[in-house]
Amino acid sequence: KNQVEQSPQSLIILEGKNCTLQCNYTVSPFSNLRWYKQDTGRGPVSLTIMTFSENTKSNGRYTATLDADTKQSSLHITASQLSDSASYICVVSKNSGGSNYKLTFGKGTLLTVNP
Amino acid sequence: DAGVIQSPRHEVTEMGQEVTLRCKPISGHDYLFWYRQTMMRGLELLIYFNNNVPIDDSGMPEDRFSAKMPNASFSTLKIQPSEPRDSAVYFCASSPGQAGYGYTFGSGTRLTVV
Repeated sequence: KNQVEQSPQSLIILEGKNCTLQCNYTVSPFSNLRWYKQDTGRGPVSLTIMTFSENTKSNGRYTATLDADTKQSSLHITASQLSDSASYICVVSKNSGGSNYKLTFGKGTLLTVNP
Repeated sequence: DAGVIQSPRHEVTEMGQEVTLRCKPISGHDYLFWYRQTMMRGLELLIYFNNNVPIDDSGMPEDRFSAKMPNASFSTLKIQPSEPRDSAVYFCASSPGQAGYGYTFGSGTRLTVV
């Protein structure tokens, strides 16, 4: 069964600290992996998207890694800010031949950054 | 670009009533998706369209749900009759093509059925 598991379920850190969120998946065949940030009351916004051949990608203070062999990804947030408080969702796209739009969503990690 | 536009932002309705959610995708995007998000199940794909044609509706929970895309700039998701268990946030997303880059979500409609 195609699944995406995220950990931890929730996380509280102090402003300025770093943190790492984890994503394990069993989706196959793999097409790409995306990390989304979802602020409360808003839709998810893409942070990074990585294909099989990419093992790291950065977007400002966000750095995502991908190990396609072990089917694991992480999202590292550096020097956290209050505005980083949000839910972070890992999404894996299955290569379904002509269309790769079968996305499998993790349930997200809820990050709270406190002053 | 205004992004994916959904309306209404919030909807409260009584059980048994018909509910219609609306979505305007980003101009030029050929794919449109409807999702439902709940605390228990996270984001679930309900249905998606390619060039206004429904491609996969296997996620539609039951016959009470229907979706249409009469043209490239408008789609609706209808629930008739609505039930309390339909309470959730419904998202519309659109995407420009095969690669999946540019996949963009709207701000969602929070539906409460009492």
